[in-house]
Amino acid sequence: DAGVIQSPRHEVTEMGQEVTLRCKPISGHDYLFWYRQTMMRGLELLIYFNNNVPIDDSGMPEDRFSAKMPNASFSTLKIQPSEPRDSAVYFCASSLATGVYSYGYTFGSGTRLTVV
Amino acid sequence: GQQVMQIPQYQHVQEGEDFTTYCNSSTTLSNIQWYKQRPGGHPVFLIQLVKSGEVKKQKRLTFQFGEAKKNSSLHITATQTTDVGTYFCAAPDLNSGGSNYKLTFGKGTLLTVNP
Repeated sequence: DAGVIQSPRHEVTEMGQEVTLRCKPISGHDYLFWYRQTMMRGLELLIYFNNNVPIDDSGMPEDRFSAKMPNASFSTLKIQPSEPRDSAVYFCASSLATGVYSYGYTFGSGTRLTVV
Repeated sequence: GQQVMQIPQYQHVQEGEDFTTYCNSSTTLSNIQWYKQRPGGHPVFLIQLVKSGEVKKQKRLTFQFGEAKKNSSLHITATQTTDVGTYFCAAPDLNSGGSNYKLTFGKGTLLTVNP
């Protein structure tokens, strides 16, 4: 298995532009998570899905952020319009629930977003 | 929401010295996980602890879960330069209708090793 695949690895965009981040989870994993990492705030959970259904989006900063999971092998995180304060590393992670708990998350390599 | 507090924030050691990072919670945790993130990399899952007082070892790494399941530690014996990175603890956020599958991460401990 190639692991969790994210694209692009790096994105530089101008303020006001739309940004779309992509993620392919590990086949068979039933949970998918989007995290944002910054020096100031650390790793923040934005949204997570179970079996392609959004379960908790309370971490999404504002209406400019949206996420979808149209099928078990693909998810997107969209920012429209983007702002400089959105600059961060965005990680996608997937996991498999094994009874009461999920086993460890497998993270993708991340997308480093810079909004200028 | 629930927070897990990690200390120290930074630790610099000489190669061969031991290192310990601590994770504390004000509430009882159902389980705790540990991750390592190399500089410029992504978090990598190390281990999950579930039972009260549990101790697990991975080569030079020893993980403990407190008896009250409110704290945990990661100890590295005889550090090597390959141990450099940020070590995170993470625990399920069961507040506000959370679930065992949604993890809240601590701020991490950045370990640097002088060769």
